[in-house]
Amino acid sequence: GENVEQHPSTLSVQEGDSAVIKCTYSDSASNYFPWYKQELGKRPQLIIDIRSNVGEKKDQRIAVTLNKTAKHFSLHITETQPEDSAVYFCAASRGDDKIIFGKGTRLHILP
Amino acid sequence: EPEVTQTPSHQVTQMGQEVILRCVPISNHLYFYWYRQILGQKVEFLVSFYNNEISEKSEIFDDQFSVERPDGSNFTLKIRSTKLEDSAMYFCASSELAGVLGIQYFGAGTRLSVL
Repeated sequence: GENVEQHPSTLSVQEGDSAVIKCTYSDSASNYFPWYKQELGKRPQLIIDIRSNVGEKKDQRIAVTLNKTAKHFSLHITETQPEDSAVYFCAASRGDDKIIFGKGTRLHILP
Repeated sequence: EPEVTQTPSHQVTQMGQEVILRCVPISNHLYFYWYRQILGQKVEFLVSFYNNEISEKSEIFDDQFSVERPDGSNFTLKIRSTKLEDSAMYFCASSELAGVLGIQYFGAGTRLSVL
């Protein structure tokens, strides 16, 4: 079955700098890659997603890149702000109902 | 903005007891899911449900687990005889569409503690 690995598990970034979270997946049939943000005590919320027919997608300060050949995808957050502090989960899906998550990255934005 | 709601937020139970975790999906959504997250581990898929049937289930979702849509609004996860290793955060999710077209919206979770 699909396995999603996520790195790093913890990331501390100075406010205003960029943060990058990287994921790999094992199932070449995966074609949908959502990213969820979970603030402390709150629900996971979809922040961006990418489908396998594109290599990059951007939404304001957030961008995701996908390399299908290498089975890598990454989340980039630019100009980080205190409210970006949260746990971020990458995930992969074959297009069926099942989403396979990574273990999460705890992002700390330092003042 | 519509939300998936889950109750209770925290459930404490004795080993061997039955628990029912409740979810109210977003009203126009047709696809429902349960996931769980053991402390410090990844979010794991349990089951998906559509048209009053299970669409897919994982190896975790054994005979001790069942799901039901008892009425037009609730979606429940039942664990018949809880074990210590069932202690986890359980997330319900729903989507309007299926597969890659269906963004899954998550509830805030129910923390299940089995003593």
